[in-house]
Amino acid sequence: SQKIEQNSEALNIQEGKTATLTCNYTNYSPAYLQWYRQDPGRGPVFLLLIRENEKEKRKERLKVTFDTTLKQSLFHITASQPADSATYLCAAMDSNYQLIWGAGTKLIIKP
Amino acid sequence: GAGVSQSPSNKVTEKGKDVELRCDPISGHTALYWYRQSLGQGLEFLIYFQGNSAPDKSGLPSDRFSAERTGGSVSTLTIQRTQQEDSAVYLCANGLAVGTDTQYFGPGTRLTVL
Repeated sequence: SQKIEQNSEALNIQEGKTATLTCNYTNYSPAYLQWYRQDPGRGPVFLLLIRENEKEKRKERLKVTFDTTLKQSLFHITASQPADSATYLCAAMDSNYQLIWGAGTKLIIKP
Repeated sequence: GAGVSQSPSNKVTEKGKDVELRCDPISGHTALYWYRQSLGQGLEFLIYFQGNSAPDKSGLPSDRFSAERTGGSVSTLTIQRTQQEDSAVYLCANGLAVGTDTQYFGPGTRLTVL
């Protein structure tokens, strides 16, 4: 079955460093991947989308890559700040126009 | 309002009771999705509506779950004869249309079944 996998362990990063989160997909080839941020008690908020023909997409301190050979997307936050602490979700649309979601990775930025 | 709203924000009910969860979408966004999120889990797709087309109910976990969308706007998710395993956060999301890029989420309804 089509799956999206993210590291379930929390990622602890020192303030100012680059945080890198991983999203792997199996058993299909999504046309694009999306990354969302979710804070406790809130719904996910869209951050970035990257299409299969794009290798990299940037938005301010955020960067997403898409490697169709490795079936992987990496999400980077440079110059991380404590306010970046949240759970980050990866999602990709399947052939039925439904988003398949990863379980998310909790990111903790320590001052 | 400018965003997706959901009500109630929290709902505590007893096993066996019926519950209704409401989603007020963004005006003009024709795609509406319902998801369920259990603690530490990814979002589980339940159902989506696209305009006046028949909804895709393929994600509904049992016939105790149903949803309606009236006039292409407000949607209600109904869970009949609730069970403890129904306890989760129920999220509503909007998109301009099915298959388009971004989904805009409401804050969710936290359902607790005792």
